[in-house]
Amino acid sequence: GEDVEQSLFLSVREGDSSVINCTYTDSSSTYLYWYKQEPGAGLQLLTYIFSNMDMKQDQRLTVLLNKKDKHLSLRIADTQTGDSAIYFCAEMGTGRRALTFGSGTRLQVQP
Amino acid sequence: EPEVTQTPSHQVTQMGQEVILRCVPISNHLYFYWYRQILGQKVEFLVSFYNNEISEKSEIFDDQFSVERPDGSNFTLKIRSTKLEDSAMYFCASSDEGISYGYTFGSGTRLTVV
Repeated sequence: GEDVEQSLFLSVREGDSSVINCTYTDSSSTYLYWYKQEPGAGLQLLTYIFSNMDMKQDQRLTVLLNKKDKHLSLRIADTQTGDSAIYFCAEMGTGRRALTFGSGTRLQVQP
Repeated sequence: EPEVTQTPSHQVTQMGQEVILRCVPISNHLYFYWYRQILGQKVEFLVSFYNNEISEKSEIFDDQFSVERPDGSNFTLKIRSTKLEDSAMYFCASSDEGISYGYTFGSGTRLTVV
């Protein structure tokens, strides 16, 4: 079945850029998403990219998609302490609405 | 901003008991979903619901599980006879026709089976 993998932990200093990486196996993925989860909260959609795009920028967030390598990344510019959270990569396959999630990457921002 | 509301936030139940988790999706959304996250594991898809019927379900969603939209506003997940391994965070979500925008998730219900 489909699988999505992420590294578990990333620590950066405030003001630096953060890059969170994700790999997936489903070659029929149509949409790929990044969700953020803060303690005690639900999953908040940050951004998404359609599979025929290479890059998407949304304010401090940049998503890069390498479809050949099935690699997705999320770059957060000028990372702030409020960005500390768990970030989940998720993919949706063709003809489906179910999301397959990665394990989540815990981002810790040091002041 | 519209929200998906889940109640209760935490439920403790004895093994073998039935439990119902409740959700109020966003009012103009048409698709409804349940996901679960066992502690330390991935968020897993359980079921999607559209037009008053299940549109997709995972292998996890066996005969012990059922979903219902009883009154046009609530969306419920019932677990008939809970097992210890059902302990997890259960997330409800809803979406409109346009899947590109992803879903809106609720804050989750933590289910603890003892």
